[in-house]
Amino acid sequence: QVQLVESGGGVVQPGGSLRLSCAASAFTFSRYAMHWVRQAPGKGLEWVAYIRSDGSDRYYAESVKGRFSISRDNSKNTLDLQMNSLRPEDTAIYYCAKGASMGAAQLDYWGQGTLVTVSS
Amino acid sequence: DIQMTQSPSSVSASVGDSVTISCRASEVIGSWLAWYQQKPGEAPKLLIYAASGLQTGVPSRFSGSGSGTDFTLTISGLQPEDFATFYCQQTNSFPFTFGPGTKVDIK
Repeated sequence: QVQLVESGGGVVQPGGSLRLSCAASAFTFSRYAMHWVRQAPGKGLEWVAYIRSDGSDRYYAESVKGRFSISRDNSKNTLDLQMNSLRPEDTAIYYCAKGASMGAAQLDYWGQGTLVTVSS
Repeated sequence: DIQMTQSPSSVSASVGDSVTISCRASEVIGSWLAWYQQKPGEAPKLLIYAASGLQTGVPSRFSGSGSGTDFTLTISGLQPEDFATFYCQQTNSFPFTFGPGTKVDIK
């Protein structure tokens, strides 16, 4: 059973930084692309970032470009999201999601999410 | 960026009804479209990929169709566990944009 467990969420002041992690298990992590998707309270889904299976390609939503950085460690089966210069509008549940292939494809498994609150 | 729209934004239906949700892309995306279901307090769940492919384990009452810019998700014979919000997502090009969602609730 594919498992994705996010951690690292919490309350941070505007302008601050936070690093989210996602621990993956029960599949060959190094063979699949990974994504971060977020959902502001009471709102819809917003795709945030993508990283190819081998880390060779990364893409970001315009709203986070230059502030967020996605990375992965295939030896530890972990996915990270470094978030800098945080803004109140970054407040959301952040989901880690597995891609269905090594590259661009649908998101076939999701974690339960970790809540990030940006507030003074 | 490709913009995704969905209609209706919400629909009320009864158990046993059929429901159709539409999704439109602002440019041609071939069949690179996925549908997700999200229940309150839960993570989204993949239902349909490549416009019409049924994800493993998803009941056959869910079906998808369309290509190009116009797509539909049909639920044939709503079950109590189907009441949720449904999102389409284009996977043709980055950023992988989602539609705004369609809430299906009980009439």
